[in-house]
Amino acid sequence: ELKVEQNPLFLSMQEGKNYTIYCNYSTTSDRLYWYRQDPGKSLESLFVLLSNGAVKQEGRLMASLDTKARLSTLHITAAVHDLSATYFCAVDMTNTGNQFYFGTGTSLTVIP
Amino acid sequence: SAVISQKPSRDICQRGTSLTIQCQVDSQVTMMFWYRQQPGQSLTLIATANQGSEATYESGFVIDKFPISRPNLTFSTLTVSNMSPEDSSIYLCSVGGMNTEAFFGQGTRLTVV
Repeated sequence: ELKVEQNPLFLSMQEGKNYTIYCNYSTTSDRLYWYRQDPGKSLESLFVLLSNGAVKQEGRLMASLDTKARLSTLHITAAVHDLSATYFCAVDMTNTGNQFYFGTGTSLTVIP
Repeated sequence: SAVISQKPSRDICQRGTSLTIQCQVDSQVTMMFWYRQQPGQSLTLIATANQGSEATYESGFVIDKFPISRPNLTFSTLTVSNMSPEDSSIYLCSVGGMNTEAFFGQGTRLTVV
């Protein structure tokens, strides 16, 4: 059974600080996605990582993928309050695309 | 990108009844997916809906409880049957393609009383 684990589950950080969220998965895959969910809202796509060593950056967020270690990271640089949300990683286990197994989620609160 | 419309956005239902959730996409897609998000939890894949064939269900989900229709390439429905309070969740449909991001509907927030 595929497991996708994130840590931490809850993260409270001050504005301006840096932090990394980790996503570990238990089986082979080279397609990993990061999503953001605001309270009461649907999911917003952040990053699509499609190969070993992939690194993508958007604003204060940077995601990377190490398929050999079965690990993805989401790094937050100089956090701001607007980044407060829940972040999910999702592993795509199929060759047909987008049949996702989601991580446990990381609830991020950025404190002014 | 794809625009996905789900109906209803929320509902409160009596236990023992059924609710059908509709998902409409603004373009033709081969595969559509249904997820459940229980309160405070992550998302769990319920099933994959393919046009012209039976849906494929994940472990722990059965057709009798969650029948799915996929009559064409832009539309799907998920029915939550014989509901109990444990079915209270957000149900989301999703579409996507190979090596692209997946797009999610806004979700249907179901409360069973």
